[in-house]
Amino acid sequence: NAGVTQTPKFQVLKTGQSMTLQCAQDMNHNSMYWYRQDPGMGLRLIYYSASEGTTDKGEVPNGYNVSRLNKREFSLRLESAAPSQTSVYFCASSGDRGYQETQYFGPGTRLLVL
Amino acid sequence: SQKIEQNSEALNIQEGKTATLTCNYTNYSPAYLQWYRQDPGRGPVFLLLIRENEKEKRKERLKVTFDTTLKQSLFHITASQPADSATYLCALVPGSSYKLIFGSGTRLLVRP
Repeated sequence: NAGVTQTPKFQVLKTGQSMTLQCAQDMNHNSMYWYRQDPGMGLRLIYYSASEGTTDKGEVPNGYNVSRLNKREFSLRLESAAPSQTSVYFCASSGDRGYQETQYFGPGTRLLVL
Repeated sequence: SQKIEQNSEALNIQEGKTATLTCNYTNYSPAYLQWYRQDPGRGPVFLLLIRENEKEKRKERLKVTFDTTLKQSLFHITASQPADSATYLCALVPGSSYKLIFGSGTRLLVRP
């Protein structure tokens, strides 16, 4: 039981490049989330998915797209990376009651955009 | 504006003492409040959840209180150990929505 896994662990991009961050969970959770964490800012929600095939914008969705490929996987795509997207990205999942449930986090992806 | 605030300064205490961390919020009516622990380079890990109709919740050496009048939650670690050194995040679920809002965290350092 791996919990929530994320790939890659580290990535360096040049401005304008694109990339996809991958996330998978093996806890049979319906809800999945993408957050970014910046110094002094706390975790901010980028996108949320309540179930396969559904996604909703969070607090900071601009510059990102997501895909809920199936119940296990939720990917985050940066189409044209900008230095402001330098951050640590966390994927999380929770049970059927969504935000009211405990969230389980992955180890994070550290992204540097030059 | 809506805010959730945790002390940005690190809390430095001696091993064996009780650590008390504060989470204050304004312009929210949270239905739930959660506390997470985050170690450097890792994702947050859930510790405790307290509901708006609960005053206090305990788990082993951890205790959380929730005062909806003061708009404050306190997180206590009794008999603290160096292994408790980490950043502690509070997060609330506003009663008007289902969005989980995180504070920026307080770093706890427990000296041997």
